[in-house]
Amino acid sequence: DIQMTQSPSTLSTSVGDRVTITCRASQNISSWLAWYQQKPGKAPELMIYKASNLENGVPSRFSGSGSGTEFTLTINSLQPDDFGTYYCQQYDSYPLTFGGGTKVEI
Amino acid sequence: DVKLVESGGGLVHPGGSLRLSCAASGFPFSSHAMHWVRQAPGKRLEYVSAISGDGNSTYYANSVKGRFIISRDNAKNTLYLQMGSLRVEDTALYYCARGEYEGFDYWGQGTLVTVSS
Repeated sequence: DIQMTQSPSTLSTSVGDRVTITCRASQNISSWLAWYQQKPGKAPELMIYKASNLENGVPSRFSGSGSGTEFTLTINSLQPDDFGTYYCQQYDSYPLTFGGGTKVEI
Repeated sequence: DVKLVESGGGLVHPGGSLRLSCAASGFPFSSHAMHWVRQAPGKRLEYVSAISGDGNSTYYANSVKGRFIISRDNAKNTLYLQMGSLRVEDTALYYCARGEYEGFDYWGQGTLVTVSS
């Protein structure tokens, strides 16, 4: 199975900050990577797919980059609504796998 | 509007069985791969299983292989997860999700499975 490692596990931030979350795959997954935001008591929501494509309706302050084994989710000018836990997911090969999550605290 | 509604969760004893359902609407169901993802209380997301749009291909996490069976009824727009030989560690909120090459773009609200004696 492909292992997905996220860092950091927790981020204490402030409104207006630039936030960067890293996700590493244990093997090459090309650009088959998605990022999700999950708020307490809610289902995850897709933010980024294919490493760098913004899902419809997601604010442009979110961006994704990377390919192969190293990926980054960046949030420019963090807003109060951006708190939650962010997960990366590889969908290059089955079984699909998620990272351990990064909790963004504001 | 795309809608995914899970049902069938509940309390079951270790070793027992349960069948989850996910009713889909608002999109051509048979054109999309579907997935089950679970989340134990306070824990990370864990991928469980997938099925292709035509139902001919299925995939499982190692943790459930041989115990869970995913299926779908495209005439009823419904996804299923038959869970057997349940263990305490299977306790989780089970989500169904739609997705293939562009990530999982729609998720249900989840159904809670509790395995306890």
